Amino acid sequence: DAKTTQPPSMDCAEGRAANLPCNHSTISGNEYVYWYRQIHSQGPQYIIHGLKNNETNEMASLIITEDRKSSTLILPHATLRDTAVYYCIVRGIQGAQKLVFGQGTRLTINP
Amino acid sequence: NAGVTQTPKFQVLKTGQSMTLQCAQDMNHEYMSWYRQDPGMGLRLIHYSVGAGITDQGEVPNGYNVSRSTTEDFPLRLLSAAPSQTSVYFCASRKQVGNQPQHFGDGTRLSIL
Repeated sequence: DAKTTQPPSMDCAEGRAANLPCNHSTISGNEYVYWYRQIHSQGPQYIIHGLKNNETNEMASLIITEDRKSSTLILPHATLRDTAVYYCIVRGIQGAQKLVFGQGTRLTINP
Repeated sequence: NAGVTQTPKFQVLKTGQSMTLQCAQDMNHEYMSWYRQDPGMGLRLIHYSVGAGITDQGEVPNGYNVSRSTTEDFPLRLLSAAPSQTSVYFCASRKQVGNQPQHFGDGTRLSIL
């Protein structure tokens, strides 16, 4: 499974859109991009995933570049409860059984 | 639909004691797994199962046993607890086929004295 690179920390004002980048330049054609977050002391929470098209659900939007080497998770109207560590993970359908959680991005939403 | 349920939420053990961490899911997921999370080390896979009667080792299996007698349950057994097993343990499940995401429980916080 491809390796990902994320900034270690980001800040965002409450009510604004939070845009979290992820670089996955070695991604292969059958690998999906997954986003999870972990709010302090809780289990990782699945947010969204995609292959090459942009995706949107009730939590967030995922924008994947045309060359698929990077992606951006967008929280459209961040709230204080969105403060968490966000993980970008790349995994293929036939990939390893484990999810490889890197260091992620610690997102702090400020009032 | 409760998702992935882990019990207990907290546990304190003495060195050498044994115990079982419970994990149950009601989503009919074939794949289930156990991770441990230690400060600064991310999540590490302990054991996993792709269906009832099938289990396999992850990257840190020593000191732990698992079994999968039903689709719903995947208990994790500590045979003889050691202080190095102090950690937060997470159970996860997903559909085995395709690109389905994993869903995690809220964790069990285990301290070994």
